[in-house]
Amino acid sequence: KAGVTQTPRYLIKTRGQQVTLSCSPISGHRSVSWYQQTPGQGLQFLFEYFSETQRNKGNFPGRFSGRQFSNSRSEMNVSTLELGDSALYLCASRVTVPNNYGYTFGSGTRLTVV
Amino acid sequence: GQQLNQSPQSMFIQEGEDVSMNCTSSSIFNTWLWYKQDPGEGPVLLIALYKAGELTSNGRLTAQFGITRKDSFLNISASIPSDVGIYFCAGQLQNQGGKLIFGQGTELSVKP
Repeated sequence: KAGVTQTPRYLIKTRGQQVTLSCSPISGHRSVSWYQQTPGQGLQFLFEYFSETQRNKGNFPGRFSGRQFSNSRSEMNVSTLELGDSALYLCASRVTVPNNYGYTFGSGTRLTVV
Repeated sequence: GQQLNQSPQSMFIQEGEDVSMNCTSSSIFNTWLWYKQDPGEGPVLLIALYKAGELTSNGRLTAQFGITRKDSFLNISASIPSDVGIYFCAGQLQNQGGKLIFGQGTELSVKP
């Protein structure tokens, strides 16, 4: 069974640019969440999608957005990149059954903003 | 916002020793999860806890969901070199859907 696939694995962007990251969840998993991981702030929740609807959102500026497609694949977009956006962006998926919050994470996309 | 206090931040132990780490919060959690992250990879789920007082094992790993629902611990028995990595606790609050709040992590080093 394939795991959570994130593309690309590494990305270098310039300040002011925008970036789109992609996530393919495990087959059958309809809930997808995104997290930002930095040495200073640790793992921070960005947003969660289920059935193409955003169900929850973390405390990030509006430059961070996401969407989910009908096949459960998800993308997140960061516009007007800042140096502080450099981080490991992790996508996670889960089966949405009662009391199951055991997310499976992908390997992440390492974004460097220069 | 909600925070999880995870301790210790790092541990240096000898192979074969037992390890214990814990997470505490001022908030009540519905779910506690423990993850391990290796360099360059995403976190891998080790144990999930869903009921206060629940004690669950996964091989040499044992974790408990605190009775107050504000804390959890993870024990690793007879550590081996492949236990090296960063361990994270994560909690899920009531009515917060799939939003997990993570601790700052415990970096474990095992000396052969």
